[in-house]
Amino acid sequence: EVQLVESGGGLVKPGGSLRLSCAASGFTFSVAWMSWVRQAPGKGLEWVGRIKSKTDGGTTDYAAPVKGRFSISRDDSKNTLILQMNSLRAEDTAVYYCATDDGRHWGQGTLVTVSS
Amino acid sequence: DIQMTQSPSTLSASVGDRVTITCRASQSINIWLAWYQQKPGKAPNLLIYKASSLESGVPSRFSGSGSGTEFTLTINSLQPDDFAAYYCQQYNSYPFSFGQGTKLEIK
Repeated sequence: EVQLVESGGGLVKPGGSLRLSCAASGFTFSVAWMSWVRQAPGKGLEWVGRIKSKTDGGTTDYAAPVKGRFSISRDDSKNTLILQMNSLRAEDTAVYYCATDDGRHWGQGTLVTVSS
Repeated sequence: DIQMTQSPSTLSASVGDRVTITCRASQSINIWLAWYQQKPGKAPNLLIYKASSLESGVPSRFSGSGSGTEFTLTINSLQPDDFAAYYCQQYNSYPFSFGQGTKLEIK
């Protein structure tokens, strides 16, 4: 059974940093392209970014609002996807989901709150 | 960047109704469109991919159509479990983008 479990969310002050992790199991993580999607409270879904598998180049793409502040990486030895978030703003407050790039499998989400 | 516009934002319907949700892309995305259902407090669930392909395990009352810039999600014979939010997403080019969502409510 495919499982994606996010962790690392919490309360952080504006300008601060946070590192989210997504532990994957039940599939061959190393060949999977993975995405992050977020959802602000009461709002719609927003695509954050994606990382290809290392065999496909391991490159990343980001949405404009997070480009230059967020970084996606992966540790295939630990089957873990990472979202490093820097220079956080109030508008980054959201539930953050990791998902397989084909959209078939999602984690349960982790809440990030940016507030002073 | 490609903008996705969904309509309506809210849809009121009754059990047994047939409903249609529309998604328009600001430029052609060929058939690279997915539809998701999301219930409160839960992660999205993939319903349709490549505009009209039904994801495994999704009831056949769900169907998708369209190509280019205009797409529809149709739900035949609404069931109580179908009242939820629905989102389209284009994956033709980066950055991928979602529509703003349609909330399907019980009339």
